[in-house]
Amino acid sequence: NAGVTQTPKFQVLKTGQSMTLQCAQDMNHNSMYWYRQDPGMGLRLIYYSASEGTTDKGEVPNGYNVSRLNKREFSLRLESAAPSQTSVYFCASSASRGYWRNQPQHFGDGTRLSIL
Amino acid sequence: QKEVEQDPGPLSVPEGAIVSLNCTYSNSAFQYFMWYRQYSRKGPELLMYTYSSGNKEDGRFTAQVDKSSKYISLFIRDSQPSDSATYLCAMSSNYGQNFVFGPGTRLSVLP
Repeated sequence: NAGVTQTPKFQVLKTGQSMTLQCAQDMNHNSMYWYRQDPGMGLRLIYYSASEGTTDKGEVPNGYNVSRLNKREFSLRLESAAPSQTSVYFCASSASRGYWRNQPQHFGDGTRLSIL
Repeated sequence: QKEVEQDPGPLSVPEGAIVSLNCTYSNSAFQYFMWYRQYSRKGPELLMYTYSSGNKEDGRFTAQVDKSSKYISLFIRDSQPSDSATYLCAMSSNYGQNFVFGPGTRLSVLP
């Protein structure tokens, strides 16, 4: 049981380049999340998807777009990368009922992104 | 004032010690409280979760909530070197509304 899988694990981009971070979960969860983690800032929500076909902005959505491709997959796209987007990006998922409604339960191991 | 505060550490303790990790918060509407453990270069891993006030125990771990003081704690008994990690508290009001993570406390358990 893989849980939440993120690709790639590492990436270096130049300012202005674009890229898509991929995330897939195999737990049949409805809710999926993208976070970024920066030193001293904690984890901050970028985008959230409560179910296939729906997405909502989180705390820091500027410069990002997302696609909920199907129930399993939720991708994060940087259209024109900026040095301020250098961070570690985590995808998470959760069941959409009970205690875990709208709260991240399982995380992937992250994508470390550097933008020069 | 940040909504959730944690001492960043690092907190260093000898193997076998009892560890106390704490978070304070300002939003009195918070009812759901979680603790995650994050090893270096890994994603957060859910450790404990509670609702409202009181204690919850799971093996060597005890989560405690004091809503009157807006203070939550995670106790680790008989700490092991494998407990060395960053511990993140998280909380929310009604079903994930206002969900927020603390910045984390780095713990080092020395053999």
